[in-house]
Amino acid sequence: GQQVMQIPQYQHVQEGEDFTTYCNSSTTLSNIQWYKQRPGGHPVFLIQLVKSGEVKKQKRLTFQFGEAKKNSSLHITATQTTDVGTYFCAGRGTTDSWGKLQFGAGTQVVVTP
Amino acid sequence: DAGVIQSPRHEVTEMGQEVTLRCKPISGHDYLFWYRQTMMRGLELLIYFNNNVPIDDSGMPEDRFSAKMPNASFSTLKIQPSEPRDSAVYFCASSLQPNTGELFFGEGSRLTVL
Repeated sequence: GQQVMQIPQYQHVQEGEDFTTYCNSSTTLSNIQWYKQRPGGHPVFLIQLVKSGEVKKQKRLTFQFGEAKKNSSLHITATQTTDVGTYFCAGRGTTDSWGKLQFGAGTQVVVTP
Repeated sequence: DAGVIQSPRHEVTEMGQEVTLRCKPISGHDYLFWYRQTMMRGLELLIYFNNNVPIDDSGMPEDRFSAKMPNASFSTLKIQPSEPRDSAVYFCASSLQPNTGELFFGEGSRLTVL
């Protein structure tokens, strides 16, 4: 079955630095979503990518969907302490039913002031 | 809107006891999901419903787990009998398909089975 892998699992970043987290699927995805979960909180939707090669920006966050629709990345520039949390990607396989959204293991981000 | 509402927020029980977790989705949403989150296994999809009908329960661990959605505004996840390995945070989420497909998560129910 489909598996969504994320790397790195853990990212320690100095405030002001940039970092990137990557998401890879074993199968082609119909779309990919990104969520952020603050410590002790619940996942909150950030964005959805649907088209091959799509790039979307939200302020300091840049999301990309690979040409083959098997991978995605989230790049954060000038990291702030408010970026602390775990970032999850979640994908739907092209043969999966609409509701079958599989989450990656997440990248836990710690920001040092 | 109040968002997805889950209860209880915390539950501590002893092995062998029955546990019932409850969820009220966002009004008008036609999809409801139950996820389980642990350090070891991350966020696992247990089951999801569309218009109150279970569509995929392949993620339900075993027969001890059952989920129902008697109407559009209420769902339960029941564990009977509970075991220590069931300890986790259980999230309910709802969604409206024609939109972005965004899942709106509740705040979760933290279950500890002693």
